[in-house]
Amino acid sequence: NAGVTQTPKFRILKIGQSMTLQCTQDMNHNYMYWYRQDPGMGLKLIYYSVGAGITDKGEVPNGYNVSRSTTEDFPLRLELAAPSQTSVYFCASTDPQGLFETQYFGPGTRLLVL
Amino acid sequence: QKEVEQNSGPLSVPEGAIASLNCTYSDRVSQSFFWYRQYSGKSPELIMSIYSNGDKEDGRFTAQLNKASQYVSLLIRDSQPSDSATYLCAVNLMNRDDKIIFGKGTRLHILP
Repeated sequence: NAGVTQTPKFRILKIGQSMTLQCTQDMNHNYMYWYRQDPGMGLKLIYYSVGAGITDKGEVPNGYNVSRSTTEDFPLRLELAAPSQTSVYFCASTDPQGLFETQYFGPGTRLLVL
Repeated sequence: QKEVEQNSGPLSVPEGAIASLNCTYSDRVSQSFFWYRQYSGKSPELIMSIYSNGDKEDGRFTAQLNKASQYVSLLIRDSQPSDSATYLCAVNLMNRDDKIIFGKGTRLHILP
């Protein structure tokens, strides 16, 4: 199993541009999450999903959108990039024990908005 | 009080000694508690999870939970240079719609 994969690894965006951060897991996990981590800070939950077709907001959803059309994929969309969205973004998934139980993280996407 | 609070460190511990990492949380009815390790530039990985008061041991790691004091800790025995990392405490807060909240993390540095 590849686990949780994320693309791209690194991206530079100009203010106002849009992009989609991709996340795929091959562990058949129902639960998936998007976090952002600013330097020296912990992880903040952006959005999460309990299964295909179901998404919900986390702590910091403003400026982001998600969709979950399949169990495997959970893309994160930035519509109008702002410097405040410069961060490292982690996707995670949870095994079937339950929501927010042991989370498996992807390698992260570093995003710089200039 | 912040929802999940950790001392940011850095915490410097000599090799072979016991490293003690602490975390306090605000929600008295929280049920699930996690410790993640994060190496610089890498993603977090789960070290321990604990759900009941008391100690839970796994190899060199021991998690301690005291719900009455709203306190969870992680002890690392026989500290090794490879233990140098940031340790994130995470709590499933029932008063936040059961969402998990991460602390800012404690940087641990093991001195050879």
